[in-house]
Amino acid sequence: DTAVSQTPKYLVTQMGNDKSIKCEQNLGHDTMYWYKQDSKKFLKIMFSYNNKELIINETVPNRFSPKSPDKAHLNLHINSLELGDSAVYFCASSQGTAGEHTDTQYFGPGTRLTVL
Amino acid sequence: GNSVTQMEGPVTLSEEAFLTINCTYTATGYPSLFWYVQYPGEGLQLLLKATKADDKGSNKGFEATYRKETTSFHLEKGSVQVSDSAVYFCALSVWGINDMRFGAGTRLTVKP
Repeated sequence: DTAVSQTPKYLVTQMGNDKSIKCEQNLGHDTMYWYKQDSKKFLKIMFSYNNKELIINETVPNRFSPKSPDKAHLNLHINSLELGDSAVYFCASSQGTAGEHTDTQYFGPGTRLTVL
Repeated sequence: GNSVTQMEGPVTLSEEAFLTINCTYTATGYPSLFWYVQYPGEGLQLLLKATKADDKGSNKGFEATYRKETTSFHLEKGSVQVSDSAVYFCALSVWGINDMRFGAGTRLTVKP
């Protein structure tokens, strides 16, 4: 049983296209995250949702829009893809609720996005 | 602000060598400290954690002690194996802020 799953695992697309990455967690956690990992392995938080509400929104272009239909899902939609968007995107979840101590985060396997 | 600084890699060791990866932190409030490991082609996995000063986290032969006086959380293992080859991330979270900060990662390669 996969705790945090992402689809697709690989995504290759042309510049200018719109794409989505899906994330689901079956841990019953309240909080979900999206991270971007660049080619040097640097990990940067992009968004965090708690019970379907946005609580962290780092400096990310407006072309990136997270959507949380329920607390078990957090999808990432990217408009007008650019070369610099090429990276590995990780979804994660944690039990912690905003305002309380952050708990361990559990990561998905990652989605490798390549923009040509 | 809250941040983590870890030693730059890559680190290359022979099997059975002693490993230390340094990690220091800056935080307002009372952080919990974590080490995550990322094996090739996979997501990050929690390796160990410590939630208060002087706590020692341990798992799979790895250890790290939360040192408030030196604001450090160095990762150690007495005898590394080839299967320990991975990227290791130090991270912190602060009570009341639902945001985990990661270090830049240290790539470890263990040769037979």
